[in-house]
Amino acid sequence: SQQGEEDPQALSIQEGENATMNCSYKTSINNLQWYRQNSGRGLVHLILIRSNEREKHSGRLRVTLDTSKKSSSLLITASRAADTASYFCATVNTNAGKSTFGDGTTLTVKP
Amino acid sequence: GAVVSQHPSWVICKSGTSVKIECRSLDFQATTMFWYRQFPKQSLMLMATSNEGSKATYEQGVEKDKFLINHASLTLSTLTVTSAHPEDSSFYICSARDVAGSYEQYFGPGTRLTVT
Repeated sequence: SQQGEEDPQALSIQEGENATMNCSYKTSINNLQWYRQNSGRGLVHLILIRSNEREKHSGRLRVTLDTSKKSSSLLITASRAADTASYFCATVNTNAGKSTFGDGTTLTVKP
Repeated sequence: GAVVSQHPSWVICKSGTSVKIECRSLDFQATTMFWYRQFPKQSLMLMATSNEGSKATYEQGVEKDKFLINHASLTLSTLTVTSAHPEDSSFYICSARDVAGSYEQYFGPGTRLTVT
């Protein structure tokens, strides 16, 4: 069963605004990854954060991880219309080593 | 580095036929590969874990006789959808874990299967 849950399910913002998506999970993890998927396309890996890391940056992306709360957030700053996509978090389970995906957040950035 | 390819990228087949999808790790060795399925507007659901040289482990509810997985080498896993039906139409994505030991996984671009 899927253990990752993202919220919100859908987010609509204006270009230039920041977008924040959250992900919660249930079991112990090795790392957590965020992916982007444009409609009908494959996954694009955005960022990986390990269980011993609290925050990570990559360009306009900022990811935080709180293992005590079993949650992560993805912040996209100064959003662009091209950021319109679905965003998924995926957790790698400590024991099983397999990734489990959340339900995803659909982000729409209006120009 | 760490590139995973899938072939074909899309396929259309008739109901009742079988379709094989390949997943290759191009620049690393993968003892473990994973197969996911994604229906429109839904998340990725893990179907099975494929281990090189041994039988695949299927997730609950996934028919192993319908979705045949073979992981014959450290760089190739195949998923065969047997006797495909329209309800099998989906986006199939594989991922591979680097044998170097980290839990990092690298995803292929996906294969879109349409069964008519």
